[in-house]
Amino acid sequence: QVTLRESGPALVKPTQTLTLTCTFSGFSLSTSGMCVSWVRQPPGKALEWLALIDWDDDKYYSTSLKTRLTISKDTSKNQVVLTMTNMDPVDTATYYCARIGGLGYCSGGSNWGQGTLVTVSS
Amino acid sequence: DIQMTQSPSSLSASVGDRVTITCQASQDISNYLNWYQQKPGKAPKLLIYDASNLETGVPSRFSGSGSGTDFTFTISSLQPEDIATYYCQQYDNLPFFGPGTKVDIK
Repeated sequence: QVTLRESGPALVKPTQTLTLTCTFSGFSLSTSGMCVSWVRQPPGKALEWLALIDWDDDKYYSTSLKTRLTISKDTSKNQVVLTMTNMDPVDTATYYCARIGGLGYCSGGSNWGQGTLVTVSS
Repeated sequence: DIQMTQSPSSLSASVGDRVTITCQASQDISNYLNWYQQKPGKAPKLLIYDASNLETGVPSRFSGSGSGTDFTFTISSLQPEDIATYYCQQYDNLPFFGPGTKVDIK
């Protein structure tokens, strides 16, 4: 059974850096074809894909946010970490980690964490 | 980047109505398309994968079709519990989502 769980601060101040951790089980990110994405959703708005990391440590970012995002993995801990710099109130959103495929080679299926609401406010 | 569009952005229908949502990709994605249902405060739930395959446990009133750039999602007989926002998502390239379609009961 695949599970993912996001953790991190609920509140960050403008200009601060956000660090979110996704801890997963039920698969290994060292297995060929495995990928993990981060997706966010501002209150009342649509889903927005942010970043993806694959088993080979290749990393992909949203074009509009790539200068602010860093995704990394710790295979031994079954964790994926997302950092987002220079946070702004418009970054207030629920942040999800998920296995949602991609690139035509990430394994199929769909598994999501429960999401973590991050509010950016002074 | 492959951009996804959806229409309509919202719709109201009566219980028992047939509901259709369309999704268009900016380039050919073969059948690499998911459809999700999302209810407030919840993570998205996968309903359809590979454009037309019903996820295990999902009621058969949900269906999907299409390939290439044009896709359709259908609820054959709308039920009160289907009130939600529906998203398409392609996975042929970076996994972008459509903007969503909010479905209400008339």
